[in-house]
Amino acid sequence: QITLKESGPTLVKPTQTLTLSCTLSGFSISSGGEGVGWIRQAPGKALEWLALIYWDDTVRYSPSLHNRLSVTKSTSRNQVVLTMTHMEPVDTGTYYCGRLGNSWVDDWGQGILVTVSS
Amino acid sequence: YVLTQPPSVSVAPGQTARITCGGNDIGNKRVHWYQQRPGQAPILVVYEDNDRPSGIPERFSGSNFGNTATLTISRVEAGDEADFYCQVWDTDTVHGPVFGTGTRVSVL
Repeated sequence: QITLKESGPTLVKPTQTLTLSCTLSGFSISSGGEGVGWIRQAPGKALEWLALIYWDDTVRYSPSLHNRLSVTKSTSRNQVVLTMTHMEPVDTGTYYCGRLGNSWVDDWGQGILVTVSS
Repeated sequence: YVLTQPPSVSVAPGQTARITCGGNDIGNKRVHWYQQRPGQAPILVVYEDNDRPSGIPERFSGSNFGNTATLTISRVEAGDEADFYCQVWDTDTVHGPVFGTGTRVSVL
């Protein structure tokens, strides 16, 4: 069974850096063809893609946020880590990680609600 | 690349709901659809225009032509009430997934 689970702080202060982990089960990020993406959703708003990483370390970032984002993987921990700098209240929302299919998101984590507030 | 969906669609139980997703020449892209029930993570209900993952009822189907993709839900049930998002892969600028604006389906 494939599962993904997000973890990290649920409250960050403005200007701080957010670091979220996505722990994978049932598949390995180091296996050929695998990829994991990060998607967020502000309260009451639509889904917004942030970043993705593939088994071969290829990374892609949302053009509007690329200068604030970094995504890495740990094959030993079977995790994908998202870092987002300079957090502001508008960054409040639920952050999801997802296993990528050919060009879609096959499986989603449960999400983690991150609030940015002083 | 922008994907535009109607904010809401209302349908009576047993009837058919159609959710549109507009994008420039979207017919030349592969479209995927997600259902998100309140307080839950999205789930994939249709991929590559009209294929269904295992476990998704045949009542969910899709089409894609020209500038509009459509998700059709036949014989709507109360449990279908949710937000639905279309998605394509943008290979020109974003080099990643682009999501639609979302449609709230309400079952009357």
